[in-house]
Amino acid sequence: LAKTTQPISMDSYEGQEVNITCSHNNIATNDYITWYQQFPSQGPRFIIQGYKTKVTNEVASLFIPADRKSSTLSLPRVSLSDTAVYYCLVGANSGYSTLTFGKGTMLLVSP
Amino acid sequence: EAQVTQNPRYLITVTGKKLTVTCSQNMNHEYMSWYRQDPGLGLRQIYYSMNVEVTDKGDVPEGYKVSRKEKRNFPLILESPSPNQTSLYFCASSPRGLSYEQYFGPGTRLTVT
Repeated sequence: LAKTTQPISMDSYEGQEVNITCSHNNIATNDYITWYQQFPSQGPRFIIQGYKTKVTNEVASLFIPADRKSSTLSLPRVSLSDTAVYYCLVGANSGYSTLTFGKGTMLLVSP
Repeated sequence: EAQVTQNPRYLITVTGKKLTVTCSQNMNHEYMSWYRQDPGLGLRQIYYSMNVEVTDKGDVPEGYKVSRKEKRNFPLILESPSPNQTSLYFCASSPRGLSYEQYFGPGTRLTVT
């Protein structure tokens, strides 16, 4: 199971673009990269998932280089409500697999 | 509304008194999972289930039991709770593999004294 490494915390200001990078050097061929957001005392919420290159949805973009050993979650123009913990996960998209969330990145957005 | 529900949301109990935290999903998902979250340790998987009657251990299964007799329900059982099981517990479900999008319940805050 591929381990992930991401910064413990990041600070930003409203309106800025935030990029959170996750390292996953041992990613397997059939592994996907998934990001979740969690507010205090709430369950994590799915943000985005990708396998390679770039994925974009209404809230974020996910950039994955060709070697897939890292990925970057990009949040455009953050607001105060984006203050949360962001988790990067790597694992197979089906079948038996445990899932390790790790400690995540605490993003603090200030006015 | 598609959702995962957990009950109770808050529970204070004493050491050794058996308890069950229920989890139910209405999305017909095959995969369900239990996590605990502790300060500084992030989310850790306790048990997961691939389908009815199919369960397996996660990273921290000691002291917990689960069952999956129906597709929609995945209760977490603490036969003899101890203070180190004081935590915030989340149940989640997924339509496909565990690495696919998971839908989380609201959480159950358990305190064992």
